[in-house]
Amino acid sequence: GAVVSQHPSWVICKSGTSVKIECRSLDFQATTMFWYRQFPKQSLMLMATSNEGSKATYEQGVEKDKFLINHASLTLSTLTVTSAHPEDSSFYICSAREVPGLAGGELFFGEGSRLTVL
Amino acid sequence: DAKTTQPPSMDCAEGRAANLPCNHSTISGNEYVYWYRQIHSQGPQYIIHGLKNNETNEMASLIITEDRKSSTLILPHATLRDTAVYYCIVGRSGGSNYKLTFGKGTLLTVNP
Repeated sequence: GAVVSQHPSWVICKSGTSVKIECRSLDFQATTMFWYRQFPKQSLMLMATSNEGSKATYEQGVEKDKFLINHASLTLSTLTVTSAHPEDSSFYICSAREVPGLAGGELFFGEGSRLTVL
Repeated sequence: DAKTTQPPSMDCAEGRAANLPCNHSTISGNEYVYWYRQIHSQGPQYIIHGLKNNETNEMASLIITEDRKSSTLILPHATLRDTAVYYCIVGRSGGSNYKLTFGKGTLLTVNP
């Protein structure tokens, strides 16, 4: 299957700093990528849909000014957690669809990035 | 998107078939059934998906009832490495409405 890579795999930062997480589709182009967040022992929660060349679409309750998403190319989307606080500590996972626009195309997920805010 | 109902946990003996059920009684005509699994602290792994017909690949089989209100994921010969949380998701196909919303899933534990 298609490969989606995230970087960094884990990051520790101080409260108040900003952290950028990259999501790359390695062997396919992805016009749409999705960002999820997962707290311990909970399911994945969709945060936003990232569209190449346009603004991201955020799910209800997700602060767009807090979680900045940039999808500048067909193979790269970035999530920046601005002014991070301990409650932002979580497992952030991106995904991309290999064949956008065709019915039934599955999502491929990155390995996830674990953020710990001290 | 339609919601799904899965048992919170299941056990299976190594080498035996694991049958994971999923109810999706409010599924609409253009929604697919997707199955993913997540091993601890990793990103979800795609397993299989289908619309109406039963599907099989190298990992699993997907059996969808005729009324499409439920489905079963079958791992024919479970191994210890199949221990994971399995998510059954119903989602629209294509276009701007495409997105997958995860429920709580089923924790499958494969025992030696």
